[in-house]
Amino acid sequence: AQKVTQAQTEISVVEKEDVTLDCVYETRDTTYYLFWYKQPPSGELVFLIRRNSFDEQNEISGRYSWNFQKSTSSFNFTITASQVVDSAVYFCALSEYYNQGGKLIFGQGTELSVKP
Amino acid sequence: DGGITQSPKYLFRKEGQNVTLSCEQNLNHDAMYWYRQDPGQGLRLIYYSQIVNDFQKGDIAEGYSVSREKKESFPLTVTSAQKNPTAFYLCASSYGSLDTQYFGPGTRLTVL
Repeated sequence: AQKVTQAQTEISVVEKEDVTLDCVYETRDTTYYLFWYKQPPSGELVFLIRRNSFDEQNEISGRYSWNFQKSTSSFNFTITASQVVDSAVYFCALSEYYNQGGKLIFGQGTELSVKP
Repeated sequence: DGGITQSPKYLFRKEGQNVTLSCEQNLNHDAMYWYRQDPGQGLRLIYYSQIVNDFQKGDIAEGYSVSREKKESFPLTVTSAQKNPTAFYLCASSYGSLDTQYFGPGTRLTVL
């Protein structure tokens, strides 16, 4: 069965610290997509990144970086030099090629608090 | 500006009433989705539509209904049969079912 686990419910850091949000997924499909979304206090989900199962290259976008490892079924997200504006709930999600019209399977979310 | 709009932002309902949540997009996306979020939890799929005049049940469709008469619009009705409707409802859309989903600002529904 498909599943996404974000074991860290809450993380609190001080500004400028680096922080890594963990995501572990389960799927039987060989073709799938992984996502990270940010949910600020306003509630809207903001898309951050999408990765397909055939592309294990790590990606960096400014202070954000993602580490995708199929061998451990993980897709971790690192924020370098965190800022107060990074405070939000972050969701990891999985979409399977053959499953329900692209349904996103979400983890429980990790609430990140960055203190000044 | 292209985007997804949801209205109202806050909605209060008395027990036994049906209410309809609006979702509109001007992104020319074919696929649209409704998710429900409960406090401290991830999102769960209620209904989805891959094309006009067609929609499918998601994981928690009981007590909800939808329609897709226009490409731009995918309204969700929360019926009195939904036993615990208080939640945050998010609408999303994508070009196709395997493309990235983009979300609207959400509607917070409270049953009084």
